[in-house]
Amino acid sequence: DTGVSQNPRHKITKRGQNVTFRCDPISEHNRLYWYRQTLGQGPEFLTYFQNEAQLEKSRLLSDRFSAERPKGSFSTLEIQRTEQGDSAMYLCASSAAWGEQFFGPGTRLTVL
Amino acid sequence: AQSVTQLDSQVPVFEEAPVELRCNYSSSVSVYLFWYVQYPNQGLQLLLKYLSGSTLVESINGFEAEFNKSQTSFHLRKPSVHISDTAEYFCAVRMPQGGSEKLVFGKGTKLTVNP
Repeated sequence: DTGVSQNPRHKITKRGQNVTFRCDPISEHNRLYWYRQTLGQGPEFLTYFQNEAQLEKSRLLSDRFSAERPKGSFSTLEIQRTEQGDSAMYLCASSAAWGEQFFGPGTRLTVL
Repeated sequence: AQSVTQLDSQVPVFEEAPVELRCNYSSSVSVYLFWYVQYPNQGLQLLLKYLSGSTLVESINGFEAEFNKSQTSFHLRKPSVHISDTAEYFCAVRMPQGGSEKLVFGKGTKLTVNP
């Protein structure tokens, strides 16, 4: 396992469509995080899982956003009815208990 | 709520010159502090971190940062930069009390090292 992987790396969609991103963490890590990064900004926290439990959610995570980690391994982030303001880089990170967060390469979403 | 301010959005320097990237945070409780680096077309990588103990922390590639509680700062320094240090640098804070594990990032500083 060489690190956190994310798929797809790029996604272009039309406004109003639904999109789903996948994150595969480092295999022994039980913690998984989603962040969003827009141009000129640092990453902003969206949500966090410990194993399959979603323990923390940001107010940025509107009801159009849903994240799951059904078996405590990979995670998916779905955005329903995408808006142009959703265009961003979506970053996933994983960590062991209280350890360093290792980031994946991100999924760049463009909403036309 | 905690926040992180990186005072310089862009820092151009010449090779072998010293550099300081500034970071200030606001929090009323103890924090953990981090510097992440993002090279062009790559993901974020941890450069160094302060959790407790010595206020001066160092990375393997010559960077260092000093935690200053009274000034709520965690500035990143390198005495002599290389072309390969060209990247974007992000300061981040985590508040361990209350069990939150989220990182709060600054807006980043783009370091450009010119020959």
